[in-house]
Amino acid sequence: NAGVTQTPKFQVLKTGQSMTLQCAQDMNHEYMSWYRQDPGMGLRLIHYSVGAGITDQGEVPNGYNVSRSTTEDFPLRLLSAAPSQTSVYFCASSEPGQPMEAFFGQGTRLTVV
Amino acid sequence: AQKITQTQPGMFVQEKEAVTLDCTYDTSDQSYGLFWYKQPSSGEMIFLIYQGSYDEQNATEGRYSLNFQKARKSANLVISASQLGDSAMYFCAMSLRRGGKLIFGQGTTLQVKP
Repeated sequence: NAGVTQTPKFQVLKTGQSMTLQCAQDMNHEYMSWYRQDPGMGLRLIHYSVGAGITDQGEVPNGYNVSRSTTEDFPLRLLSAAPSQTSVYFCASSEPGQPMEAFFGQGTRLTVV
Repeated sequence: AQKITQTQPGMFVQEKEAVTLDCTYDTSDQSYGLFWYKQPSSGEMIFLIYQGSYDEQNATEGRYSLNFQKARKSANLVISASQLGDSAMYFCAMSLRRGGKLIFGQGTTLQVKP
């Protein structure tokens, strides 16, 4: 009963490095999304996907890429890390219909130095 | 534009008392959902309660109830009989029709005093 699994849980990057945050869900959910949470703020949507092969931008997409080749996986790529991308990242999945509860991963705490 | 507003950055409540956390929302969509999530100091997001825009009755889940006033565009969370374990950050969120996207408020930090 894994739900939504994010790896890694913690990461420190140097400015300019690239990396991929992994997100996998085992509930066969159609919808997946990535959020970032900065201190004193709520979660903000980075990118989302309504199914394999379909992605779209959220509120704060700059500096991030996503792809959805399978229903289960939705990786988030940082192309060239910047200190402004220091944040906690959450992946979520959900299924169309009512109620639309989103299942969240445990989060990845990323620090860019 | 869709927006969620939580105007209470921090709240205190005495143990065993009830507390209301405020949330107002703005959307032109007719179909939407409203959520409350709890985020303890450990950081995970815990789903508490959901209200659909077409639901006529207020949602309840144990000690949690959502006071939904559609005309006023408010979706306040009421926690009855507060417990020390309720101390956490609480987020109100809204989902739109398609995509599973959630829009979050800035959160309210609740501290329960013994």
